Amino acid sequence: EDQVTQSPEALRLQEGESSSLNCSYTVSGLRGLFWYRQDPGKGPEFLFTLYSAGEEKEKERLKATLTKKESFLHITAPKPEDSATYLCAVQAPGTYKYIFGTGTRLKVLA
Amino acid sequence: SAVISQKPSRDICQRGTSLTIQCQVDSQVTMMFWYRQQPGQSLTLIATANQGSEATYESGFVIDKFPISRPNLTFSTLTVSNMSPEDSSIYLCSVSGGQMDKNIQYFGAGTRLSVL
Repeated sequence: EDQVTQSPEALRLQEGESSSLNCSYTVSGLRGLFWYRQDPGKGPEFLFTLYSAGEEKEKERLKATLTKKESFLHITAPKPEDSATYLCAVQAPGTYKYIFGTGTRLKVLA
Repeated sequence: SAVISQKPSRDICQRGTSLTIQCQVDSQVTMMFWYRQQPGQSLTLIATANQGSEATYESGFVIDKFPISRPNLTFSTLTVSNMSPEDSSIYLCSVSGGQMDKNIQYFGAGTRLSVL
């Protein structure tokens, strides 16, 4: 069965303290992996898409990487406004549907 | 990306009643999806709304409970029927395709439903 697992469930960082969030997946052939940010009371906001192992994408303080078994979302020198839930989703071949992970709740303290 | 409007943004309903949620997009899209997000949980796909034909439901979700319409390429509705407190959740629609990448889904702000 296709599955997505994110860790940790929750993470508290001091402002400026870099860290990484993990998204592990088991899917029979990966079509794409997607990272979203969700703020309280809002829908998920698209961040990145990765399609092949070795691919990397960057946006401001965020960098997403992909291997054959997992993806990392690296946060460099985070700020309080980076506090949110980060969701990972995978897409299996032959479908445009997503399977979402459980998310990582990030809190960045000033 | 697209501008996606969901209505209502929130509602409080009585047990046994039904609520219809609307999802309107500002451009034509290929695919529209409906998700449920239970409190503190991640997103679970309910169904894919197909234009001009019946929706495709995921395991555990049935048409009698969650009827879906998609009359055109910019609009869909999800009805939550015969509600119980267990239906209290956030319901989200997402869209992809059209002028956008088919693989990337863009989400509305969601409908927060509480059932008493």
